[in-house]
Amino acid sequence: DQQVKQNSPSLSVQEGRISILNCDYTNSMFDYFLWYKKYPAEGPTFLISISSIKDKNEDGRFTVFLNKSAKHLSLHIVPSQPGDSAVYFCAVGAGTALIFGKGTTLSVSS
Amino acid sequence: NAGVTQTPKFQVLKTGQSMTLQCAQDMNHNSMYWYRQDPGMGLRLIYYSASEGTTDKGEVPNGYNVSRLNKREFSLRLESAAPSQTSVYFCASRSLAGKQETQYFGPGTRLLVL
Repeated sequence: DQQVKQNSPSLSVQEGRISILNCDYTNSMFDYFLWYKKYPAEGPTFLISISSIKDKNEDGRFTVFLNKSAKHLSLHIVPSQPGDSAVYFCAVGAGTALIFGKGTTLSVSS
Repeated sequence: NAGVTQTPKFQVLKTGQSMTLQCAQDMNHNSMYWYRQDPGMGLRLIYYSASEGTTDKGEVPNGYNVSRLNKREFSLRLESAAPSQTSVYFCASRSLAGKQETQYFGPGTRLLVL
């Protein structure tokens, strides 16, 4: 059974608007959460992370929110730009390894 | 500083052939990882090496072997390739700088098994 779920395979947003990507996880013992971004024909690149002791972390246009009681993680991108079009993977830290969701493809139109 | 490098970038194999995917990192990281990415499946961990001299199975290890040659290099071997191993393979290394943990990925190896 999937431990990390990204239930929306795709999301389309207009330039300048907010993009919200969601992620749910099953195990309350996970204590570190990350978002990765992946362009076609490239490896994933780290975007932003949050530890379980926080509920929000910001880095420029990117903000990650953590709701531990709901076991829910979200990534907000404001304002969205066409260059943000990519696949976004949610990942959780589980000891030495990371467990990834299946990804959400974000398309930002100008 | 090249980060994580992988060779080859692309490979075509026939069923039953063997090959080794190479990975190297120059960031002095202890932990290294091999993932495969398939359409609609996200990234799945094949094997990892928490430190030089150790290796452990991940979620999908069957059909693969690994070698942690030294701190820099972590190779993935397919002894007898099968069409189900057609995928994109990513190597990663792990940084624990400060309190922030992240994994840095290579550009990937695209493998087609006919």
